[in-house]
Amino acid sequence: QSVLAQPPSASGTPGQRVTISCSGSSSNIGSNTVNWYQQLPGTAPKLLIYNNNQRPSGVPDRFSGSKSGTSASLAISGLQSEDEADYYCAGWDDSLNGVVFGGGTKLTVL
Amino acid sequence: EVQLVQSGAEVKKPGESLKISCKGSGDTFNRYWIGWVRQMPGKGLEWMGIIYPGDSDTRYSPSFQGQVTISADKSISTAYLQWSSLKASDTAMYYCGRGNKYYDVLTGYQDYFDYWGQGTLVTVSS
Repeated sequence: QSVLAQPPSASGTPGQRVTISCSGSSSNIGSNTVNWYQQLPGTAPKLLIYNNNQRPSGVPDRFSGSKSGTSASLAISGLQSEDEADYYCAGWDDSLNGVVFGGGTKLTVL
Repeated sequence: EVQLVQSGAEVKKPGESLKISCKGSGDTFNRYWIGWVRQMPGKGLEWMGIIYPGDSDTRYSPSFQGQVTISADKSISTAYLQWSSLKASDTAMYYCGRGNKYYDVLTGYQDYFDYWGQGTLVTVSS
């Protein structure tokens, strides 16, 4: 059972907009920033969004993040086949004194 | 270009010890944290802990405290993850990452890995 709750799966067709949710509590998302990672099959994770809504250099602006209260969301617009991957939210937890990850959401592009 | 290069795959028996490594550039080891993340077969990511090579300040996840040791040698820009007695349940892919840790009174803690190693597969089997 992960501290941050994500739906196990999501799907969309090319060109669609998809959102992935991440639900936490006052000790993590509620008081700290949220980050999102993309893990393509068989590869290392890659930072997608940091500080709730910031994109590292090289990440397309099709990817966006938001946070409200104790929940966060990752939105992917103009869905492409290469977006098929696992997506993880993460952030610092004050109670556990460490970083916590969501369980991951497997995105399928139909 | 920032690169983190991890040591190769390992196959060990239960009870054996192991130390895997993560080598980066000098700038990385002078200014950033280096953390470790576990991914068991078919499962999600788990934060194990993090070290600041500059002064060896080390933090562990409660789940991994006492189970592993994180260390670093700043002189050769290398961080390590080690086990004194492996178990079959330690079978997993282990990733290192360059850690960014900041605190802002308005937004709280920012703690993320902006670059990752390629991963080291550890298999523990009798």
